[in-house]
Amino acid sequence: DTQMTQSPSSLSASVGDRVTITCRASQGISNHLAWFQQKPGKAPKSLIYAVSNLQSGVPSKFSGGGSGTDFTLTISSLQPEDSATYFCQQYNTYPLTFGGGTKVEIK
Amino acid sequence: EVQLVESGGDLVQPGGSLRLSCTASGFTFSDHFVEWVRQAPGKGLECVGRSRNKADSYNTEYAASVKGRFIISRDESKNSLYLQMNSLKIEDTGVYYCVRASFDSSHYCYFDYWGQGTLVTVSS
Repeated sequence: DTQMTQSPSSLSASVGDRVTITCRASQGISNHLAWFQQKPGKAPKSLIYAVSNLQSGVPSKFSGGGSGTDFTLTISSLQPEDSATYFCQQYNTYPLTFGGGTKVEIK
Repeated sequence: EVQLVESGGDLVQPGGSLRLSCTASGFTFSDHFVEWVRQAPGKGLECVGRSRNKADSYNTEYAASVKGRFIISRDESKNSLYLQMNSLKIEDTGVYYCVRASFDSSHYCYFDYWGQGTLVTVSS
């Protein structure tokens, strides 16, 4: 299986900060990389697919980048509603696998 | 509006069985792959298995951790997906989500819509 490693596992930042989360795949996954946001007690929400394509309705403050095995999710200006856990996922080979998550908190 | 509604979660003893349902609306169910994803309490996300679309003969695939114990099936007439879970273990405890997948430009399936989840607790 393809292992997905996220870093950091948690971070704390101020409102208005630019925040970047990284995700590394154990083998090449082309551009088959997605990001999800999950708030406590809620189902995950799809944010990005194919590295950098925003899902419908997702604000442009979220952006994705990278290629091959190394990828990033950036929140350009952190707001209180962005407090959540973020997961990356590869969908290049089955079983699809997720990173361990990054918990983003507001200072 | 795309909706996926799971049901059937319950408390069950180890070794027991349970069937989860996922009822879809707002899209052509037969066109899409649909996945079951679970989340143990306080843990990350794990794909359990999926049903491919009608064009792929509704073929199924499973994670190694559930292969031989779980069975995914569809009822097109009811726009429903099912997860039959047998020989349940304590480590099968968690929230089970039904997730729709769509094709990207390279014809690989990515997740777009999630249900609200249903809780399965395996305990004696």
